[in-house]
Amino acid sequence: VQLVQSGAEVKKPGESLKISCKASGYTFTNYWIGWVRQMPGKGLEWMGIIYPLDSDITYSPSFQGQVTISVDKSISTAYLQWRSLKASDTAMYYCARLATSSTSWSDSWGQGTLVTVSS
Amino acid sequence: AIWMTQSPSSLSASTGDRVTITCRASQDISSYLGWYQQKPGKAPELLIYAASTLQSGVPSRFSGSGSGTDFTLTISCLQSEDFATYYCQQYYSYPFTFGPGTKVDIK
Repeated sequence: VQLVQSGAEVKKPGESLKISCKASGYTFTNYWIGWVRQMPGKGLEWMGIIYPLDSDITYSPSFQGQVTISVDKSISTAYLQWRSLKASDTAMYYCARLATSSTSWSDSWGQGTLVTVSS
Repeated sequence: AIWMTQSPSSLSASTGDRVTITCRASQDISSYLGWYQQKPGKAPELLIYAASTLQSGVPSRFSGSGSGTDFTLTISCLQSEDFATYYCQQYYSYPFTFGPGTKVDIK
């Protein structure tokens, strides 16, 4: 199992962004995949999860409406998207696979994508 | 949402020490709890799931216990590679939530 995330991004406030997480080594559509935020020097925050087979999504209320989670099954890739970035979106973002079901621990993690939003 | 707390927030220990970290949930989460280790600049890694099941490949000096609202992670004999931050996470109900972390550093 491997999750490989896209590279670091530097953006200005108000810009849009889509980061990716490419899965390999397992059947992508069989496992939920989620996103976790880690702001500089802070802890882990669960953002939401998606089931690639049917794009069933659950967002954390803290992130609902702030980001969009999606997948492209044809290339085994999950995405996290912002329409209008804010400085407070500066953070490391991790994708992580859920091990068994929609209520499961995360057994594999991507390496992280650092997003910096600064004017 | 279910709130997770951890204690201590940090601790200093020496190699060979026995270390115990506690995690408490704001409501009953049965055994829907995982423990993760994160080293600086690295992604978290799963240590334990279902409160007490060791993830494949994780050294046996790590162990977990508890159910309901109170959980512990124990490192029986601290090694140099164990200096890191440890997080608990509940996956009983959405949104899944993490504890604030416990940083284990060298005394």
